[in-house]
Amino acid sequence: DADVTQTPRNRITKTGKRIMLECSQTKGHDRMYWYRQDPGLGLRLIYYSFDVKDINKGEISDGYSVSRQAQAKFSLSLESAIPNQTALYFCATSDLDRGGQYFGPGTRLTVT
Amino acid sequence: GDSVTQMEGPVTLSEEAFLTINCTYTATGYPSLFWYVQYPGEGLQLLLKATKADDKGSNKGFEATYRKETTSFHLEKGSVQVSDSAVYFCALTRSSGTYKYIFGTGTRLKVLA
Repeated sequence: DADVTQTPRNRITKTGKRIMLECSQTKGHDRMYWYRQDPGLGLRLIYYSFDVKDINKGEISDGYSVSRQAQAKFSLSLESAIPNQTALYFCATSDLDRGGQYFGPGTRLTVT
Repeated sequence: GDSVTQMEGPVTLSEEAFLTINCTYTATGYPSLFWYVQYPGEGLQLLLKATKADDKGSNKGFEATYRKETTSFHLEKGSVQVSDSAVYFCALTRSSGTYKYIFGTGTRLKVLA
């Protein structure tokens, strides 16, 4: 079984709809992250969480919100989706010793 | 602020050719450095890492050496295979502070049979 899972894997939604992307991990890591990937722009950090009570904005948090329901679960919400939020979204985890991040398989979101 | 710069892609090579993908960084202190690989339709996978100057990370025939004097962490492989076709990302995280990870924009590698 995968260590980091994301649901859904693909989603098409309409402008103005609320949508939630979910991430679960079995690695036991405290740190979790949400990124979006756009062609030619690499990965951009949306939010990150160092534990259940510690949530921080990344470089592109506008239009997004998150919830850390438990150590293993970190959800990303788009309150009112817009077309320029069409992208590939990744969840990642890391441990405390800067050993690198572990990524989920991604969610491809299309906003029409 | 901290940043990572990778060579522009795509890089197209014939099978068994030598691969170099350049990566340079800007960061205070002594960051940890990473290479990730992303195969089509998948998430990023950690390929190798180095945590201090002159360290060499290696995995699956890929190598990269942490060069503090040139602030570089170039990825190399002696003989590429078609299965190495993917996008490669260089990344860093600081030695102290928030432990955020900074990624380059990725370099697409295409290996032809």
